[in-house]
Amino acid sequence: GQNIDQPTEMTATEGAIVQINCTYQTSGFNGLFWYQQHAGEAPTFLSYNVLDGLEEKGRFSSFLSRSKGYSYLLLKELQMKDSASYLCAVLDSNYQLIWGAGTKLIIKP
Amino acid sequence: GAVVSQHPSWVICKSGTSVKIECRSLDFQATTMFWYRQFPKQSLMLMATSNEGSKATYEQGVEKDKFLINHASLTLSTLTVTSAHPEDSSFYICSARVGEGDYNEQFFGPGTRLTVL
Repeated sequence: GQNIDQPTEMTATEGAIVQINCTYQTSGFNGLFWYQQHAGEAPTFLSYNVLDGLEEKGRFSSFLSRSKGYSYLLLKELQMKDSASYLCAVLDSNYQLIWGAGTKLIIKP
Repeated sequence: GAVVSQHPSWVICKSGTSVKIECRSLDFQATTMFWYRQFPKQSLMLMATSNEGSKATYEQGVEKDKFLINHASLTLSTLTVTSAHPEDSSFYICSARVGEGDYNEQFFGPGTRLTVL
């Protein structure tokens, strides 16, 4: 079966750095997405990786290792507004998005 | 960027009634739209994939006679929850896919919160 694993919840301090990991086992791979979802709102796009390596976009970076079936989202200089759920999703061989359950990130002052 | 709207944002209805939710792509044409459902503290669950001009493809366990999907144009898809019951209360989110082939970013609507009394 297809499976996306990510931690259920993480806590970090304002101004610090946090890394959210995602491992996946899917039928085929056409890219990995990270989305941010605030409570009661729809997800918003953060990043897309299809090749191995690190993609940096401001305070957020996303890393992919296809051989290991592994990705992480790195958030730097954390702000209170970063408190949200972070969803990892993989595009499988049928170009369908397979979603992880999401990681709830709690930022403390 | 691509904008997707949903209407209504929230709806409260009595058990047994039907509710229609609209999903529109405002500044692009979406050949494919997706309907998701999300229960509290759970991830998105894909209900169906809707292609313009053809029948929707439903995920296993989703009743197609209960959740009617119509994708009549390249900018509009509708989800009708027929004979809604309290267990149908959820957050319904649509998304539209931009592009074809290797890159398939999905843009999400703001969601519709349905409460069935």
